[in-house]
Amino acid sequence: GAGVSQTPSNKVTEKGKYVELRCDPISGHTALYWYRQSLGQGPEFLIYFQGTGAADDSGLPNDRFFAVRPEGSVSTLKIQRTERGDSAVYLCASSLGLADTYEQYFGPGTRLTVT
Amino acid sequence: AQTVTQSQPEMSVQEAETVTLSCTYDTSESDYYLFWYKQPPSRQMILVIRQEAYKQQNATENRFSVNFQKAAKSFSLKISDSQLGDAAMYFCAYRRKFHTGNQFYFGTGTSLTVIP
Repeated sequence: GAGVSQTPSNKVTEKGKYVELRCDPISGHTALYWYRQSLGQGPEFLIYFQGTGAADDSGLPNDRFFAVRPEGSVSTLKIQRTERGDSAVYLCASSLGLADTYEQYFGPGTRLTVT
Repeated sequence: AQTVTQSQPEMSVQEAETVTLSCTYDTSESDYYLFWYKQPPSRQMILVIRQEAYKQQNATENRFSVNFQKAAKSFSLKISDSQLGDAAMYFCAYRRKFHTGNQFYFGTGTSLTVIP
């Protein structure tokens, strides 16, 4: 079946602009995670959803970052007033639920470049 | 807080040879999960192997095996009979047990080159 998909694959934007990054999880997966992977680093947790609600957003770096999942499926990560330091690969992962026995499946990421 | 350290930014191995990637972690918890993920240039994170801390036996998956030393908080990955397709970034990761959310804590990665 289809895996986790993310669009766009690459996004170049100017400093100060607003961007939206989309994640389509595997059908039936109720848990969804966002990670940010800066150059030369491992992925860092941003936020996760169980269903429609953001259960833990402690990883969001500041209030310019916001994520939604209105119908419990597709999620959008929104970044306002982008800064050059926001340049990174943004990874999305989904799993059947929050139980620790469930594997997280990752998408291919969106590479965001802020010029 | 949980931290994961990979002290080898780059490694190389001859095709068909064996290579070991190192990982150490810090935690105050007694039970948890440890993982190795592979990330090729396509950026897709692929699960290589998973270990539960309470299990004494080291996990194996075909050519991939781990050396889990709980007391030393060490979790190394051994790749046997290396193949060209093994070339990628490898990330060691920690995940808490019995904890909702279960986000990963990743190391900084090791870039593996396989020499034909």
